[in-house]
Formats: sequence, structure tokens, C-alpha cells
Amino acid sequence: EVQLVESGGGLVQPGGSLRLSCTASGFTFSSYSMHWVRQAPGKGLVWVSRIRHDGGSTIYADSVMGRFTVSRDNAKNTLDLQMNSLRVEDTGIYYCVRDWYGEHLWGQGTLVTVSS
Amino acid sequence: DIVMTQTPLSSPVTLGQPASISCTSSQSLVHSDGNTYLSWLHQRPGQPPRPLIYQISKRFSGVPDRFSGSGAGTDFTLKISRVEAEDVGIYYCMQDTLALTFGGGTKVEIK
Repeated sequence: EVQLVESGGGLVQPGGSLRLSCTASGFTFSSYSMHWVRQAPGKGLVWVSRIRHDGGSTIYADSVMGRFTVSRDNAKNTLDLQMNSLRVEDTGIYYCVRDWYGEHLWGQGTLVTVSS
Repeated sequence: DIVMTQTPLSSPVTLGQPASISCTSSQSLVHSDGNTYLSWLHQRPGQPPRPLIYQISKRFSGVPDRFSGSGAGTDFTLKISRVEAEDVGIYYCMQDTLALTFGGGTKVEIK
């Protein structure tokens, strides 16, 4: 089955760190660019980061630049998001999204709560 | 950054009647490869977004043909020919040039 499964979410204090993972299955992971998208409680969708299929290029939203780092391991079919210096406003569900010429596949998401 | 603007914010619809959602981008979404990467998503409460349409008008596998997308350049429309109860939720337009940008969402509810 073609799917993306996120993990690693949880409760963390402001200023803390968290590492999210997304495990892909059912398709050739190394062929696809990947995104992270987040959704604050009751709010809309916001793009966070993108990584090219080979990991050779990454881009970030201004709101997370310098704090978040996206990476991938094509041998293990995994996508990661290292989140440092977390803020209350980083709270939300984080989705990994596969990208193929506008044809997207979404994971189920993992919840990150930043609170003291 | 490309800004996506959706209207209306909310759309109360009678079952079996049509619904239409508009999406406007702040700049043309025609990519250098000639494609236009405009998608539509549907999200029910507590669920992840479900892709419906990509490249303006192509339906994903399993999406009913009552959903259709149209438009070009900066103006796009999602139409539901006859709304069913399962269609309630929030609809988002999304552009995918390099980064992703989303519209603010349109809530479809039954009158």
C-alpha cells in the first residue's frame, strides 16, 4: 500500500527540540520531492519545508528558517524534520507530503504541542 | 510569495444542489514547464487533507466525477455538481511552484 506515516510528535516546552519522521512505503521514495506542512489547531494549512528527491536542495518558510532542518535517507525511505528552539506558535499537526508534478500524497500527520 | 485567495469563506448548500468555490492567485501559476500546478483539497474534521484535483482539472483516483476543476492563469474554480452529505468540510486551493501556498479555506455545510 502506498502510504506515508509520520511519527515523533509530542509535548515539548518552549525552547526545546523535537525530531519528526515520516516513513514511506509502497513507492520509490527516492524519486519524489517531499514537503512538510503544518496546521495549527482550528487553522489553515501552512507550508514548512521542501527537500528535493536526492536531498540536494532544501527550502524553508521564513517562520522556521534557522530553527528547522529537513533531511532524508533514501536507503531507509525516511524523511525527517529536526525542530529546534521551538515556540508556542509551532504547535500543530505536521504532515509530510509527497510531490510529483502537483500530484500529492499526504500522511496522517503527527501532533506537536509546544507549551510550558 | 504567491498569495492564494479563496471565496466564499463559507458556503451553505442544499443537498443535491451545486456548489462553487473560487480561488485567485497573486501571480500566474503557469510553470516554466507549461503546466499549471493548482490543486484542490478537502478536509473533514479530525482528518488529514484529501487531494481531489491537481493541475487545475485532473481528478485523483477515486474522486467522484461530480467534482470538477477549471480555470487558467490566476483564476480557478472548483465545482460540485450535486452536493452530497459526505462533501461537507473545508476545501483548500493550493499552488505548487517551488514551495506550497494554500488558500484560506472554504467551509461547505448543508443548509
